[in-house]
Amino acid sequence: AQSVAQPEDQVNVAEGNPLTVKCTYSVSGNPYLFWYVQYPNRGLQFLLKYITGDNLVKGSYGFEAEFNKSQTSFHLKKPSALVSDSALYFCAVRDMGAGNNRKLIWGLGTSLAVNP
Amino acid sequence: DSGVTQTPKHLITATGQRVTLRCSPRSGDLSVYWYQQSLDQGLQFLIQYYNGEERAKGNILERFSAQQFPDLHSELNLSSLELGDSALYFCASSARDDPYYEQYFGPGTRLTVT
Repeated sequence: AQSVAQPEDQVNVAEGNPLTVKCTYSVSGNPYLFWYVQYPNRGLQFLLKYITGDNLVKGSYGFEAEFNKSQTSFHLKKPSALVSDSALYFCAVRDMGAGNNRKLIWGLGTSLAVNP
Repeated sequence: DSGVTQTPKHLITATGQRVTLRCSPRSGDLSVYWYQQSLDQGLQFLIQYYNGEERAKGNILERFSAQQFPDLHSELNLSSLELGDSALYFCASSARDDPYYEQYFGPGTRLTVT
């Protein structure tokens, strides 16, 4: 079965420093991987996805993610963190279930706190 | 603003009761997804409808049911409510039926069961 893990419940980083939010996955076949962000008291917003091709995927708000097949990882990165990046970040993988039962399997989320 | 609307924003009810949550997708989107978010279980996919038909099912309890109407709005019905059903319920919409496509989330309905 497909699964995704976010090993850190919380990440703290100072404003202006680079940030990384980690995600590892387990799939059979080629992975379809996603990052979504949830700002306080809001619904989730799509950031980026990896389907195939370049291992470095660029997304919204200056975020990017690096796909590493050998390490089965899809870490989210940003070169310079902003206080406004403070939010809950979710990694997800598409589960090709039996028949048409395709769905996203979600990580538990990582809370990012950017300190001024 | 994602363009997805959910009503009500907050709902407080007692154990054993039944409630209905409503979702209107973005204009033109045919897919509606329902999710439950709680502190202990994270974000759980419940069910997906595409153009009125059930398309995918997740960890949805038998006490819960959903439907999508001809105008594409969707309702999630929760019955025989238990304290553990207290959570944030999100719907999301998408143009296509595969979760490969970007999902647009509504602001959520916060359900409190007392």
